[in-house]
Parts: sequence; C-alpha cells; structure tokens
Amino acid sequence: EAGVAQSPRYKIIEKRQSVAFWCNPISGHATLYWYQQILGQGPKLLIQFQNNGVVDDSQLPKDRFSAERLKGVDSTLKIQPAKLEDSAVYLCASSPLAAGTDNEQFFGPGTRLTVL
Amino acid sequence: SQQGEEDPQALSIQEGENATMNCSYKTSINNLQWYRQNSGRGLVHLILIRSNEREKHSGRLRVTLDTSKKSSSLLITASRAADTASYFCATTTGNQFYFGTGTSLTVIP
Repeated sequence: EAGVAQSPRYKIIEKRQSVAFWCNPISGHATLYWYQQILGQGPKLLIQFQNNGVVDDSQLPKDRFSAERLKGVDSTLKIQPAKLEDSAVYLCASSPLAAGTDNEQFFGPGTRLTVL
Repeated sequence: SQQGEEDPQALSIQEGENATMNCSYKTSINNLQWYRQNSGRGLVHLILIRSNEREKHSGRLRVTLDTSKKSSSLLITASRAADTASYFCATTTGNQFYFGTGTSLTVIP
C-alpha cells in the first residue's frame, strides 16, 4: 500500500511570497490532516477534513493560510503571504476512520519550508 | 492549551536498558496515542490506548494511562540503537487532536 505523498519536499521562499503544498493521502482514507511542526516542537494541527468537508480549522491562521480538499482526495495548503515565523515542516496525515474516533494517523514525509 | 507535556525532554541510555517517558495533559480525552519520529522524517504511530483502558502492550512497548492524574507513560524495554528518535504523545478530545512537546531518546550502542 502506498503511503501519504507530499510535495515538494523542500521549499525556500522570501517573506511576503506565496507558497503551496500538495498532499495525496492513502487511497480510501476519509480523514486528512495538515500539521505545522516548528523545529524542536510537537506538530500543531492546522486543519482536518473528512472527505471534502472541513471538520476543524480552529488553529488555522485564516488571514494567510488556506486549504482545500477537492473531491475528497488530494489536498493543498497555501500560505499567502508568508512570514518568517512560517518556517517549519508541514506534515500531512490521513486516517481511514472519521475524525474523533480511535484514529491512527499515517503521516507523509513533510515539506520543509524556509522563509527568508 | 490542551497540548501535552512530556518528560523528560531528552533521555540518553545504553542499548539494552529500558526507557521510560511520561506525558501529562490538561483535559479529559477519548484516547491517547504515542508516535515516533526519526530525524527528518514523518511520524509513525506506535500504540493507542483508550480512556477506559489502563495498560496496553505491543511488542517491546508498554503504555499506561491514569486518567485521574491525566498522565500516561511509555516504556520501551530492551532498547536498541534503532529506537533513537523523538517520541510524542497525542491526545484526542472530540474532534481535537493535540501533540505533546516530545521526548528525544538516544540509545547508545
């Protein structure tokens, strides 16, 4: 079974530029999560989707971050405009079960973003 | 914040020894999970314990949960160099999912 795919793996941009990350979850997984992991910290959940609907986006900085999951499969996370403090690894995860259940998550390798 | 706190932040042991790390959290939970993250890689799920369970085993892993103290511990027995990684607890409360701050484990061959 193929794992969660993410691209790009690395991205370097200047502040105020825009950037987008892409995630392809494991086939058939209903729930998809985006996390931000700043160096030395635990992952912070930004948004979770169940199929193509948003379950929770309470920790997503909506003035600059946006995410969508078209057709309930792939997802993109966008930052516009980026700030220095957005430098982090952005992790995508998926799970076969609905949000809020005994939900083991399968993580992709992440995208490391550096904002200069 | 609901985020769990892990203790210790860093742990260094000799191969073959046992490693114990602890996680404390703030509010009631549905379940608690432990994940491992090797340097520069994504997270891997290790074990899940439900709020009505007190102890669970999986191979060399033993997890305990004390909901009255809002704490959990992860024991890795007979550690190996390959166990070197960061370990995170993660709690589920409703639809919310929170990771702890992590324990960095180094197993010296």
